Amino acid sequence: EPEVTQTPSHQVTQMGQEVILRCVPISNHLYFYWYRQILGQKVEFLVSFYNNEISEKSEIFDDQFSVERPDGSNFTLKIRSTKLEDSAMYFCASGGGVTGELFFGEGSRLTVL
Amino acid sequence: AQSVTQLGSHVSVSEGALVLLRCNYSSSVPPYLFWYVQYPNQGLQLLLKYTTGATLVKGINGFEAEFKKSETSFHLTKPSAHMSDAAEYFCAVSPMGAGGGNKLTFGTGTQLKVEL
Repeated sequence: EPEVTQTPSHQVTQMGQEVILRCVPISNHLYFYWYRQILGQKVEFLVSFYNNEISEKSEIFDDQFSVERPDGSNFTLKIRSTKLEDSAMYFCASGGGVTGELFFGEGSRLTVL
Repeated sequence: AQSVTQLGSHVSVSEGALVLLRCNYSSSVPPYLFWYVQYPNQGLQLLLKYTTGATLVKGINGFEAEFKKSETSFHLTKPSAHMSDAAEYFCAVSPMGAGGGNKLTFGTGTQLKVEL
């Protein structure tokens, strides 16, 4: 069964460092998303991406965040200068059907020290 | 705009007892509704979804949910809890008819504990 894959599963970084989280969405999907879940809190929408551009972003997705689809398969989230409060689980998701169902990856846990 | 309210951040049931996790939604357009489950240190797995048609939907692991438009609810139930059901459950909503291009809005989650 097709699945969304994410790397790394866990990354530890120092405050101020740049981090890139990678995702391989399901191959025939056209819509891509990043969500974030701070420990013990709800899953929050960050950004959606379609046709090589951001289609919607939340207030959380400020200038330090960027997304890219550098080739036909990968979808990346870059955090330019990490802050302690960026520590969270980051989920990638993709969708493409009429039901609006999203398929989620296993997540990348980011720890900022 | 869509939003979801999950009543009860923690629910505890005995093994074999009925599981009832509550979800109420708010949506300015007809909604698609979803329940996702998250086991410890894992990602989000779809349990079931309501799109159109039958309002009682069955999902994996014996779970089901009923869409009640008059009550704006989509409560999740399972007749008999099993220890393996212990996890966090998230209700989510997205606007109907928008294809794959609309984001899901999640509730705050309900942690289900199953006791012997």
